[in-house]
Amino acid sequence: DVKVTQSSRYLVKRTGEKVFLECVQDMDHENMFWYRQDPGLGLRLIYFSYDVKMKEKGDIPEGYSVSREKKERFSLILESASTNQTSMYLCASSLRTSTDTQYFGPGTRLTVL
Amino acid sequence: QQQVKQSPQSLIVQKGGISIINCAYENTAFDYFPWYQQFPGKGPALLIAIRPDVSEKKEGRFTISFNKSAKQFSLHIMDSQPGDSATYFCAARRSGNQFYFGTGTSLTVIP
Repeated sequence: DVKVTQSSRYLVKRTGEKVFLECVQDMDHENMFWYRQDPGLGLRLIYFSYDVKMKEKGDIPEGYSVSREKKERFSLILESASTNQTSMYLCASSLRTSTDTQYFGPGTRLTVL
Repeated sequence: QQQVKQSPQSLIVQKGGISIINCAYENTAFDYFPWYQQFPGKGPALLIAIRPDVSEKKEGRFTISFNKSAKQFSLHIMDSQPGDSATYFCAARRSGNQFYFGTGTSLTVIP
């Protein structure tokens, strides 16, 4: 079974803090993704990575950066957290092609005060 | 703007009934259409997917109907069960790994 784990289920941070969200997958997948999920907006792609050290911007990359130093780990970084970044963050991975199944982690509920 | 429009926002169906969720898109470059199911506290999980070269795909009680000319696709859940109560998302893929998701439908199946 593919397993995608996220470092925290719940996180509370203050405005201006630097925030790291970590995601690890254990199935040697090449693609990894970060989405945010908001009520009434569905899932929106922030960034994705198709290989180590490679990244592509999604729909809403502003205010975020990512890091992929190892194949199994994909980190989302909020350089200076703001209240409008309060959201559910979902990590996903897929094997290789874009029609391979995306497997999602359980999500991190981030609250920025 | 929302690239994939999904309706209804919420749906209540009697056990044994048919649940129907609809999605529409404008971008003709979309070429792959998955549906995801999400239970509370969990990430979405792929339920079923279709490519635009077929008009229907069925897996068990779940069927996708696809109308390429109308740029619409829908999920039908036959013989709906209380265990199907979840949030459902449609999605569409453009080239590469860029997926666009609908806003979600909260389905409740009452016994």
